[in-house]
Amino acid sequence: GAVVSQHPSWVICKSGTSVKIECRSLDFQATTMFWYRQFPKQSLMLMATSNEGSKATYEQGVEKDKFLINHASLTLSTLTVTSAHPEDSSFYICSARGSLTFMPTQETQYFGPGTRLLVL
Amino acid sequence: GQNIDQPTEMTATEGAIVQINCTYQTSGFNGLFWYQQHAGEAPTFLSYNVLDGLEEKGRFSSFLSRSKGYSYLLLKELQMKDSASYLCAAMDSNYQLIWGAGTKLIIKP
Repeated sequence: GAVVSQHPSWVICKSGTSVKIECRSLDFQATTMFWYRQFPKQSLMLMATSNEGSKATYEQGVEKDKFLINHASLTLSTLTVTSAHPEDSSFYICSARGSLTFMPTQETQYFGPGTRLLVL
Repeated sequence: GQNIDQPTEMTATEGAIVQINCTYQTSGFNGLFWYQQHAGEAPTFLSYNVLDGLEEKGRFSSFLSRSKGYSYLLLKELQMKDSASYLCAAMDSNYQLIWGAGTKLIIKP
C-alpha cells in the first residue's frame, strides 16, 4: 500500500534554531502534500497545502515566513520551522495525495508517521 | 459554512459492537473518509465512501447517506487495540478534506 515517510521522527532543539522536516511519498507520486499540526488532545490543524512546483497555500493564522514549505518534486516536500520557539513545540504531520489507481480513490490522503518537535 | 460533527468520546466493551456517527455539511461533496489515530501516532486510512450504502471491510464497516449528510463507522468484535480516536473527514468540491475533531473510543475489558 501507499507509504509516506517523515524524517526526523523526533527533534529537540534550542529556541531560535531552525528545524527542517522532510516528507516523502515512497511508492506513489504525490501531486499535493499537506502539512498539519496537532497539539496534545486536539484535532488536526491544517497548516498549508502545497502542489509540486508551486507556492504553498497557507491557512489563516499560519505565518508563511515562519513555516517555509518547499514541494520540490512529486515525492518530496519539506517544512522548515524558522527561529523555533517553545510555543512551536507540537506534533507535525504531513500527508500526501496521489493520483495512482491502486488507491481507494485518487484523492485519498495518506499520512506520514509524524514529527515531534520540542523547542527548549 | 463547512462543518463536521462527531461525538467527542465513546466507551464500549471488548467484544461488543460500537457505531460512531458523523454528520457533515460541505460545499460540494466528493466522499467521506474515516481515519484511525492512536495516541501519539499519525492517522491511518480506514475507509472511503462516495456512494450511499454500507462498505464492509473485515471488522470495520462504513455507511454513507448523502441525502442526510450522515455517515457512521461500525466496529465489530471490539478489541483493546481498537482504543483510539476515529476521525471523520468529508471531501468538498475542491477536493479538500474537512476534518471532524475526532471521537475518542475507549474500550473496557
